[in-house]
Amino acid sequence: GAVVSQHPSWVICKSGTSVKIECRSLDFQATTMFWYRQFPKQSLMLMATSNEGSKATYEQGVEKDKFLINHASLTLSTLTVTSAHPEDSSFYICSARDRAASGAQYFGPGTRLLVL
Amino acid sequence: GESVGLHLPTLSVQEGDNSIINCAYSNSASDYFIWYKQESGKGPQFIIDIRSNMDKRQGQRVTVLLNKTVKHLSLQIAATQPGDSAVYFCAENIGGGGNKLTFGTGTQLKVEL
Repeated sequence: GAVVSQHPSWVICKSGTSVKIECRSLDFQATTMFWYRQFPKQSLMLMATSNEGSKATYEQGVEKDKFLINHASLTLSTLTVTSAHPEDSSFYICSARDRAASGAQYFGPGTRLLVL
Repeated sequence: GESVGLHLPTLSVQEGDNSIINCAYSNSASDYFIWYKQESGKGPQFIIDIRSNMDKRQGQRVTVLLNKTVKHLSLQIAATQPGDSAVYFCAENIGGGGNKLTFGTGTQLKVEL
């Protein structure tokens, strides 16, 4: 149980294009999902909190127009990196909190983004 | 971006020995803590959690200890195996677990044969 998937697992794109990453909770409903980015040998940095049916809450310093988040259902949240640039290259990871349980967030496998 | 020269603390143990990974958390109001294991190129994997009304919690081969007085958390892995090699992160949460997590810097565990 508590499986979270992400798609795609890796993507290479040209500078200026937009990339959409999907996060799905496969066997539970998640009212809240979280998006993180992680640079090599560093910890996870929270980018935003995604709540089903409402606007995402962004952390300080994260551009909401750059990183568009949509949480359309209890099992799906998407992150769109708009007009991607090389500095956006990173490992993007989502997590989901099981609405039926308290506490633990379960993480997806991550998406490696490389912007050329 | 990436910090030049940044490296993770590393703990090297012999296969079969016990491992102890430590974490100092920052917020005295944190009341829920989780340990995650992250293998290279993968997302973090939930290991064990503990609430602030407990001092100790045991799982399969793992034990988490919480010392609220000094804001310290530890993860003990019994009979460490090669498959335990990974980066381990502690995370803290305020509000019982429904809110955002703050992650520690991580510890690289290397298991030597």
